[in-house]
Amino acid sequence: GENVEQHPSTLSVQEGDSAVIKCTYSDSASNYFPWYKQELGKRPQLIIDIRSNVGEKKDQRIAVTLNKTAKHFSLHITETQPEDSAVYFCAASDYGGATNKLIFGTGTLLAVQP
Amino acid sequence: DGGITQSPKYLFRKEGQNVTLSCEQNLNHDAMYWYRQDPGQGLRLIYYSQIVNDFQKGDIAEGYSVSREKKESFPLTVTSAQKNPTAFYLCASSDTPNYGYTFGSGTRLTVV
Repeated sequence: GENVEQHPSTLSVQEGDSAVIKCTYSDSASNYFPWYKQELGKRPQLIIDIRSNVGEKKDQRIAVTLNKTAKHFSLHITETQPEDSAVYFCAASDYGGATNKLIFGTGTLLAVQP
Repeated sequence: DGGITQSPKYLFRKEGQNVTLSCEQNLNHDAMYWYRQDPGQGLRLIYYSQIVNDFQKGDIAEGYSVSREKKESFPLTVTSAQKNPTAFYLCASSDTPNYGYTFGSGTRLTVV
């Protein structure tokens, strides 16, 4: 089955710096890669996603890149702000395949120091 | 509140009891999912359902049961066979063509 590894588990940056979170996946059939942000005690919320036919996607200060050959994808947050502090989860699925279920990474706790 | 509602927000279970967590969505989504969240372990899939009256086990189904009698409802029962049920439980749904999950606000279950 699919396995998703996420690194680092914790990340501390100064306000205004960039943050990068990396994930690798094992199933070459995976074709959908969303990222979720979870603030303390709240539900995860989708912040950006990418499909396997795209190499990069941007939304304001957030970008995601995908390398299908290496089977890894990354979340990039530029000009970080204190409100970016949260746990971030990557995930992968074989949408349109046998199942449409997301397999999640173990999460990255991002702390943005003001 | 996002179209998917979980209740209760907090739940306390005594040893040997079965408890049921509610998940209701009004998004007309076909698929629904239950995840368990423990510190440092991310989100682990318990059960999922792609369509009414059908569901499949996830990675950690032992000690849990579900039903999907209605499209909008996917309750999770934590049975006495689940030896370590204290965790944060998240329900999600997805409109298959749109890929992404919408999560409920979660139920925090504690064994007392």
